[in-house]
Formats: sequence, C-alpha cells, structure tokens
Amino acid sequence: AQTVTQSQPEMSVQEAETVTLSCTYDTSESDYYLFWYKQPPSRQMILVIRQEAYKQQNATENRFSVNFQKAAKSFSLKISDSQLGDAAMYFCAYSWARGSTLGRLYFGRGTQLTVWP
Amino acid sequence: GAGVSQTPSNKVTEKGKYVELRCDPISGHTALYWYRQSLGQGPEFLIYFQGTGAADDSGLPNDRFFAVRPEGSVSTLKIQRTERGDSAVYLCASSRGSGGRSTDTQYFGPGTRLTVL
Repeated sequence: AQTVTQSQPEMSVQEAETVTLSCTYDTSESDYYLFWYKQPPSRQMILVIRQEAYKQQNATENRFSVNFQKAAKSFSLKISDSQLGDAAMYFCAYSWARGSTLGRLYFGRGTQLTVWP
Repeated sequence: GAGVSQTPSNKVTEKGKYVELRCDPISGHTALYWYRQSLGQGPEFLIYFQGTGAADDSGLPNDRFFAVRPEGSVSTLKIQRTERGDSAVYLCASSRGSGGRSTDTQYFGPGTRLTVL
C-alpha cells in the first residue's frame, strides 16, 4: 500500500527566511513520482514542484527545491526567501507510473505554513 | 477559461437528497480525476476517467456514489441519498493523459464544498 506522511501539521517562518517541510512515503514500486502541491484558502491546488524517482538530481523551481532521499523514502520541500504569498497548506503527494501516464495521487495530511512579516 | 472549472462552488442539501457536482476539465485533457477532501485532511481519490471510461473507480466509498463522463469532456459526480458524512470539498483534476508521464501533471479545479444538513 502507498502512504504519504507529513509529520508537521503546522510550520511558521519569518519573511525572507528559509523553511523546510518534511514528507516521507512508503511504496514497493520502483517507478514513481513525487509532488508538492500548495492549497491557499481559495481551495485551488497548485503544483509547486515534482520529482521523478529515477532522477538522482533534486528538482528546483525558483525559490522552491526538494531534498529527495530515495533510500530513506524522504521528500522534503525547502522554501527559500519566504514571501507572504507562500502562506498556505502544503501537501506532499505520490503517484506511481502506469505506462505512459501517471495514475491517482496519494496525498499526505498537509502542513499549514504561516509566514510572518 | 483555461483552467479546470467546477460548479457549483458551494452546495447545501438535506440528508437523503440527491446531488450532482459538475467538472469541466482543461480542453484536450483526456484524463479526469475526482477527489474528496474532508476537513483537516488531504484529498482522497475517488475515481479516474481516461476518455469516457472509468479506468479506476476503486476510491468510490459505496454504491451511492457514481460518476459519468459521457463525451470524454465534462464529468458529473452523482451522490444519492446523501448523508452528513458526505460533507466535504469535492475536487476535480485533469491531465493530458498522453504524451508521456514525464509531463503528465494533474491540474485542479477550485472544488465544490458540499454540506449535508
């Protein structure tokens, strides 16, 4: 069974500082993808970053980067130079590859990020 | 619009009633997903369509839940004999469903908040 665990229900960070959100997952699959989604109060889930399991290099998207530790099944998100607009619920998600497409997403319970001015 | 749209944005109904929730995916996306997000939880998978057919309906909680996508575009999630426990935000997502999994990303709509009194 696939499970995703986010052990930090809440995190806070000062504006312009760096924060790291943790995520671990459990799977017996070898070919899978990991994601971080952001959900502001508007409810719209927005993709922040994705990582292919077969890639050793950690994904980076501007101020967002991940630390992917495949052996440890760990996938943390680092937000640098935090901005007020980064405040939201962050979900870690997993999907295993099904041929040419990805299947359903398995989500963690989320981490509520507060950014202080 | 260019994104996934869902209607209504909010739905209040009484226990025992029938409801329909609509999802309009991004044009050209062949894959469509429904998720349910209860308060304080991450989204949970309900059903996945590839074209007109349900490729995976293993997440539907019971036979009161049903979804269709007759023309491979708009999808309707139908809930019969609603119960208070059905209260949640119902999210829809779509993806290209083709062109390779390295670019197969799920884009979410804003959700429908269902309240069963």
